[in-house]
Amino acid sequence: DVKVTQSSRYLVKRTGEKVFLECVQDMDHENMFWYRQDPGLGLRLIYFSYDVKMKEKGDIPEGYSVSREKKERFSLILESASTNQTSMYLCASMDFANTGELFFGEGSRLTVL
Amino acid sequence: KQEVTQIPAALSVPEGENLVLNCSFTDSAIYNLQWFRQDPGKGLTSLLLIQSSQREQTSGRLNASLDKSSGRSTLYIAASQPGDSATYLCAVNSGGSNYKLTFGKGTLLTVNP
Repeated sequence: DVKVTQSSRYLVKRTGEKVFLECVQDMDHENMFWYRQDPGLGLRLIYFSYDVKMKEKGDIPEGYSVSREKKERFSLILESASTNQTSMYLCASMDFANTGELFFGEGSRLTVL
Repeated sequence: KQEVTQIPAALSVPEGENLVLNCSFTDSAIYNLQWFRQDPGKGLTSLLLIQSSQREQTSGRLNASLDKSSGRSTLYIAASQPGDSATYLCAVNSGGSNYKLTFGKGTLLTVNP
């Protein structure tokens, strides 16, 4: 079975802290994504990566960075967390080589105080 | 710019009823369309993926159809059960750059026992 694993389900951080959200997929997919989901705004793309060390900005990259050192792992970094980054963060990977199907992790609920 | 709309935003039905969820999109030049289910506080679970060349896909009690010319997809759920209660989202992949997925904001389905 396809598996996308997000290391932290719930995090509480303070304003100004550096936050790492980790995502690992076991499907050898090249494409991985980070979204945030907020009530009334739906899913918004933060960053995506189409290969190791390759990344592209999505619709709302401000305040975020990403790292993809290995194919299976895609990390989202909040350099200095702010309260407006309180959200549900969703990682996904895509079977682009075959069907284009998108698979999501369980999500990471981040609260910034 | 692709826009995806899901109406209604919420739907409540009695157990056993057959129901249809709607997804409309503005640009018919799509690569595929995917339906997801999301339980509260969780990630998205892929239900069905329809390629642009297909008209429908079926999985168990679920059937998804695609009509590109009218910009519509429907998700049919047969013999609904309380366990089907969740938010259902559709996502349109417009192809080209492989990150161009546009999500609807979802329909919150409640199936009452």
